[in-house]
Amino acid sequence: QKEVEQNSGPLSVPEGAIASLNCTYSDRGSQSFFWYRQYSGKSPELIMSIYSNGDKEDGRFTAQLNKASQYVSLLIRDSQPSDSATYLCAVNSGGSNYKLTFGKGTLLTVNP
Amino acid sequence: KAGVTQTPRYLIKTRGQQVTLSCSPISGHRSVSWYQQTPGQGLQFLFEYFSETQRNKGNFPGRFSGRQFSNSRSEMNVSTLELGDSALYLCASRASMDRLSYEQYFGPGTRLTVT
Repeated sequence: QKEVEQNSGPLSVPEGAIASLNCTYSDRGSQSFFWYRQYSGKSPELIMSIYSNGDKEDGRFTAQLNKASQYVSLLIRDSQPSDSATYLCAVNSGGSNYKLTFGKGTLLTVNP
Repeated sequence: KAGVTQTPRYLIKTRGQQVTLSCSPISGHRSVSWYQQTPGQGLQFLFEYFSETQRNKGNFPGRFSGRQFSNSRSEMNVSTLELGDSALYLCASRASMDRLSYEQYFGPGTRLTVT
């Protein structure tokens, strides 16, 4: 059973701080990795994708991938109350037969 | 560009009935995947369709089925509904099967309640 693990949280940070969200996965052959944000009562929204080891930055978001450690993380700089949501880590464990496996999500709360 | 659309948005059914959910992908997207989201199990993959063919399937019973039409629109059917089928059903689309199109975008979902 291919698994994706995340701390369920809640993770609480003050406004302006850096929020760090972590994810580990079990399938060493996984090739593509994603972070989705889901507000309460809404559907997941893609915020970052990463395919190679290292860092990928997009605005206030940085995704980090370490395939040797089977670890993906998301950093949110200058956190805002509007960032308060559940963050879902997703891993394509199906290769060319696309199949996203999701973690249970980490609830992030940014306090004003 | 319009996003993924799903109909209906809310549905209430009785145990034993069947239900059909509809999804229209982003224009130009040819792959459609379906997911079930529940508080206990999280987001779980149901199946993916590309060019009217099912390409991958998750671990769900045969009561869950789907199809894709030539215009890439997709439907999902659940027969003999059970209370445990109450969930948010999400459809997601991506452009094609190649690596550059691995990014997938979700629709608003259909909230199914089985009583």
